[in-house]
Amino acid sequence: EAQVTQNPRYLITVTGKKLTVTCSQNMNHEYMSWYRQDPGLGLRQIYYSMNVEVTDKGDVPEGYKVSRKEKRNFPLILESPSPNQTSLYFCATGQLSSLREQYFGPGTRLTVT
Amino acid sequence: AQTVTQSQPEMSVQEAETVTLSCTYDTSENNYYLFWYKQPPSRQMILVIRQEAYKQQNATENRFSVNFQKAAKSFSLKISDSQLGDTAMYFCAFMKHGGNNDMRFGAGTRLTVKP
Repeated sequence: EAQVTQNPRYLITVTGKKLTVTCSQNMNHEYMSWYRQDPGLGLRQIYYSMNVEVTDKGDVPEGYKVSRKEKRNFPLILESPSPNQTSLYFCATGQLSSLREQYFGPGTRLTVT
Repeated sequence: AQTVTQSQPEMSVQEAETVTLSCTYDTSENNYYLFWYKQPPSRQMILVIRQEAYKQQNATENRFSVNFQKAAKSFSLKISDSQLGDTAMYFCAFMKHGGNNDMRFGAGTRLTVKP
């Protein structure tokens, strides 16, 4: 079954404690991306990757890092989380050669206190 | 930069009735895609319908159809025979063909279907 998985699905943490949200896909997609969803703002892109070892900033990259060492995985790293990073996070993937839509993971609800 | 505007934060409709959700966008691109995503309480993002800008014919998927007006940069979603399971947040999204494939989303419209 084609799927995008994210872990954890829910996380409550404290300011400054480093965390990683994982994203994994089994569709052999080149393109992977992270979005955050906030009320009244829709979804905004944080980082994206066109292929292994190729990453670039989206609209709201401050406070986040990513890596793409393997095609199937695209972790989102918060080195020092702050309360303004409390949000719902989505990973999305797509096939670059025919990118007509993106496939979304189930979302990760992050709360930073 | 492309922007997507959904001017209706909330809407409601009676079961079995028809409702139309509005979306406008701003772009100087000629080749792009437009999408409507549904987000039920489970928070999963579910693709409802997709429109390719070069196609003049409006896309349809069962009870869902769009009214795509390229010159007016308008992309509304019509839901016919509304069902209780249609209750969700609906997001309109724009994606340029090529480039970094960044999807631009509107703020969303919360639709409630009433029994």
